[in-house]
Amino acid sequence: AQSVTQLDSQVPVFEEAPVELRCNYSSSVSVYLFWYVQYPNQGLQLLLKYLSGSTLVESINGFEAEFNKSQTSFHLRKPSVHISDTAEYFCAVSDTGGYNKLIFGAGTRLAVHP
Amino acid sequence: ETGVTQSPTHLIKTRGQQVTLRCSSQSGHNTVSWYQQALGQGPQFIFQYYREEENGRGNFPPRFSGLQFPNYSSELNVNALELDDSALYLCASSLQQADTQYFGPGTRLTVL
Repeated sequence: AQSVTQLDSQVPVFEEAPVELRCNYSSSVSVYLFWYVQYPNQGLQLLLKYLSGSTLVESINGFEAEFNKSQTSFHLRKPSVHISDTAEYFCAVSDTGGYNKLIFGAGTRLAVHP
Repeated sequence: ETGVTQSPTHLIKTRGQQVTLRCSSQSGHNTVSWYQQALGQGPQFIFQYYREEENGRGNFPPRFSGLQFPNYSSELNVNALELDDSALYLCASSLQQADTQYFGPGTRLTVL
């Protein structure tokens, strides 16, 4: 069975400061890893994903995440946040075979303050 | 290209009633997955449909059922509604079974 732990339920940060949202996973098989973002009263938007290859993946809006197999982590980082980054962030895993049931963490609420 | 759409946006039902939620997949996608997101929690997988067949199921009782149509749109049906069924129901489509899932805006179901 797979599981995802997001270590912080809330992360408050000031605008233009760096941020890291932590995600650890547990799985006995190879996994794909994802970060999704959810703005208030909306569905989930894919932020970035790791399928294979380079362990560092980037999004178009300045976020990046690094797959660390030995530490079973996939932390999300941004060097300088904006007010508009305020949202709920979900880390998810799926196994690499068969159908891709996504297992989500409980989410991290990122609150960016001016 | 049209993204994933869901209807209705909001719905209020009473205990014991039945509800049908609808999802139109992104153009070209043949796989649809449904998730339940309770307030303050991450989404939980209900089931997935691939080419009109149920392809996998999460830990939900049989009163949660679904359909996928030849145009790959999908329905989620919930019978004998319970208060704990109150949640945001999310539909996601993907190009194939193992591909990246793209989510719709969700249907907010309230059971009174």
